[in-house]
Amino acid sequence: SQQGEEDPQALSIQEGENATMNCSYKTSINNLQWYRQNSGRGLVHLILIRSNEREKHSGRLRVTLDTSKKSSSLLITASRAADTASYFCATDAPDDYKLSFGAGTTVTVRA
Amino acid sequence: DGGITQSPKYLFRKEGQNVTLSCEQNLNHDAMYWYRQDPGQGLRLIYYSQIVNDFQKGDIAEGYSVSREKKESFPLTVTSAQKNPTAFYLCATLDSPYGNQPQHFGDGTRLSIL
Repeated sequence: SQQGEEDPQALSIQEGENATMNCSYKTSINNLQWYRQNSGRGLVHLILIRSNEREKHSGRLRVTLDTSKKSSSLLITASRAADTASYFCATDAPDDYKLSFGAGTTVTVRA
Repeated sequence: DGGITQSPKYLFRKEGQNVTLSCEQNLNHDAMYWYRQDPGQGLRLIYYSQIVNDFQKGDIAEGYSVSREKKESFPLTVTSAQKNPTAFYLCATLDSPYGNQPQHFGDGTRLSIL
């Protein structure tokens, strides 16, 4: 079942600007992950944040997690045309080997 | 992901026909998953397998079947009972269900009805 919901559904920004997207979920989680999908391709893992972590960085990516609000955000700084893709959050529950994916945010970076 | 090979890339199914999608991995990962993705939507889990000779239904298993006879292979059969099979199918693997690991994905098979 899908428990993650991304917001906004679509985002269009100018190259060099920052892009922020949010993910909300309903039940307790073990980890929250963000993935990127280029058109017609598989998903690529970006970052994993554990339920006891509040913030994580990887290059131009910054992820925050607020378990009290059951929400996470992904910030892409200084965006590039190559960042054009769909971004999905995925959660897994304690003692569960399955991921639940949201519907994704489609990001378009204009040159 | 170079370690997961899905084939074919495109597949067409006639009415009443069963078709099989291939997923092969050389990552030596224990767990394998099949997802379905419809346009503009997220991934929905069809079947998953944690070890060889064992698999479990996901959220949308009706009309699909799988086998896990080898660690490297997890083929998905879309049967004629699946009345709306047109979708993008993704295979994924996981090193271990423990230890907070990400899933690794193949590049998908796009299935259409003739």
